[in-house]
Amino acid sequence: DQQVKQNSPSLSVQEGRISILNCDYTNSMFDYFLWYKKYPAEGPTFLISISSIKDKNEDGRFTVFLNKSAKHLSLHIVPSQPGDSAVYFCAASASNFGNEKLTFGTGTRLTIIP
Amino acid sequence: DTGVSQDPRHKITKRGQNVTFRCDPISEHNRLYWYRQTLGQGPEFLTYFQNEAQLEKSRLLSDRFSAERPKGSFSTLEIQRTEQGDSAMYLCASSSDSPYSANSPLHFGNGTRLTVT
Repeated sequence: DQQVKQNSPSLSVQEGRISILNCDYTNSMFDYFLWYKKYPAEGPTFLISISSIKDKNEDGRFTVFLNKSAKHLSLHIVPSQPGDSAVYFCAASASNFGNEKLTFGTGTRLTIIP
Repeated sequence: DTGVSQDPRHKITKRGQNVTFRCDPISEHNRLYWYRQTLGQGPEFLTYFQNEAQLEKSRLLSDRFSAERPKGSFSTLEIQRTEQGDSAMYLCASSSDSPYSANSPLHFGNGTRLTVT
């Protein structure tokens, strides 16, 4: 039962262009969403998050958009840089239930082409 | 901030053996989490501690798995009678607040890769 889905296993983007990574979720109890980036042989690193009371959150080159009615979120990276090449995981939690568990998607491997 | 430290980085063991992993969280973090990641999947939640109390356990955590955080600092994860299906990356993370607090995201260690032959 994959409650958080990242349907694109991989994505290639030219350096300087916009990278858009997508994530869908099925559990309507999820109300907090995060994106993590993972380099090979390292643990995931937090990038950006958004609460369900918002529909957009920006941090520098990274913007996350949330569409609650569609149960969809996306991460925009602009401009894309070679150091952005990594696996990106979408994660969600249900804070109203007080549990501390994050549910992760399967990841999207982003490759930035110089 | 020295980050979350996990030991060992790699462990190869034979089926049926017991293994133990250690995690040292960021020192001021009272929350500690264990996740497991298999090939092609995202991290899956195993268990969570607040200080020394184990407050949540996933149904993935069979009775062969046990985790402790005896003094509210480092934690150990033990797997008894390992099976080939236990082969995975075991990730530890820590935080100072709940993971849905914008100011206290989970900080992950680099993981322990377990291979059961």
